[in-house]
Amino acid sequence: RKEVEQDPGPFNVPEGATVAFNCTYSNSASQSFFWYRQDCRKEPKLLMSVYSSGNEDGRFTAQLNRASQYISLLIRDSKLSDSATYLCVVNIRNDYKLSFGAGTTVTVRA
Amino acid sequence: GAVVSQHPSRVICKSGTSVKIECRSLDFQATTMFWYRQFPKQSLMLMATSNEGSKATYEQGVEKDKFLINHASLTLSTLTVTSAHPEDSSFYICSARDLERGGNSGQYFGPGTRLTVT
Repeated sequence: RKEVEQDPGPFNVPEGATVAFNCTYSNSASQSFFWYRQDCRKEPKLLMSVYSSGNEDGRFTAQLNRASQYISLLIRDSKLSDSATYLCVVNIRNDYKLSFGAGTTVTVRA
Repeated sequence: GAVVSQHPSRVICKSGTSVKIECRSLDFQATTMFWYRQFPKQSLMLMATSNEGSKATYEQGVEKDKFLINHASLTLSTLTVTSAHPEDSSFYICSARDLERGGNSGQYFGPGTRLTVT
């Protein structure tokens, strides 16, 4: 089983739509969770950390479900600039080594 | 904000040659840096952890004699791909932890180096 698994998508949505996707992780003891964004042929950039109680940053909302070992990302009022691959990232063994999911591709169309 | 640089951004080399990639933390000190590799349409895979002043630790399946890591200062780690072969062609990305930030939110990625071995 992979340490971090994501639905690869792609999710093709119109501008203004809401899109949400999940990611599952293998180690129930993991403590740190993140969503990164990666544009084509570029490095990943931190979008947001994911906190136990869930957290929001503008149009982006992240949730953590420890019981089911998944995290989610919801994007409201999608913009064209939100088109990217979203990487689910987990500090699986709590040792600062990050495990990456393969990414969920989101394409927002005009 | 914190910045991590990598050099070169792109390199093309012939099979059998060695390539050195530099990773620098520009405005913070990093005792630990990480080297990742990403093949097309795949996720980033951690190759090794670079520790300032000590030996790097490698992930399972990564050959330490092929991927030489040197972390000579608190702001510089280098990855040398020795005797490169076409299958080593990949996107190599480093990251560095900003100790003052703490936790994983203080981990920053370099812009990556695209290696093509012909």
